[in-house]
Amino acid sequence: KAGVTQTPRYLIKTRGQQVTLSCSPISGHRSVSWYQQTPGQGLQFLFEYFSETQRNKGNFPGRFSGRQFSNSRSEMNVSTLELGDSALYLCASRTSTLSSYEQYFGPGTRLTVT
Amino acid sequence: GESVGLHLPTLSVQEGDNSIINCAYSNSASDYFIWYKQESGKGPQFIIDIRSNMDKRQGQRVTVLLNKTVKHLSLQIAATQPGDSAVYFCAENTGGGGADGLTFGKGTHLIIQP
Repeated sequence: KAGVTQTPRYLIKTRGQQVTLSCSPISGHRSVSWYQQTPGQGLQFLFEYFSETQRNKGNFPGRFSGRQFSNSRSEMNVSTLELGDSALYLCASRTSTLSSYEQYFGPGTRLTVT
Repeated sequence: GESVGLHLPTLSVQEGDNSIINCAYSNSASDYFIWYKQESGKGPQFIIDIRSNMDKRQGQRVTVLLNKTVKHLSLQIAATQPGDSAVYFCAENTGGGGADGLTFGKGTHLIIQP
């Protein structure tokens, strides 16, 4: 079974631009969560989607948004990029929001904002 | 706020020795803990978990110990191999069943010396 895939793997943007990242969960997984990982803050929860609905949201500004499609694929968008948005963005999938916390992470998208 | 942290940012061990990675948590209400391994260029990988009603759980070459009295969690890796080189971090479930209920530590970088 294929793992979680994320595209693109690397991205360089300038301040003020917007970016869209994509995540394809493991087949059969309906829950997709997004995380931001930085050396200073570690892994921080952004949001979780299940059946095209946002179930939970972390403490991030409204510039961070996401959505999930009917095939469970998910995208996250960051508008008006700031230098501090440079990070590794990870998505993780699991079978459902009621299952165990054994979620499977993708390799991440490394975003650099200049 | 309450957070999960690790005692050492870097741990260097000889190949073949046992490794012990520590984690302190501050939320006494946490009921579930997970250890993740993150190799360079990859997303975090689930290693082992433990519920708060247990004090020890063993997997393949790994053991997790939970001491609720001092709010301490440790991961023991037996007979460390080069492939164990990675960042290890713990996560605690601080509430709810959603992904937002997980709080992650910043990680310990395990270095294997030949």
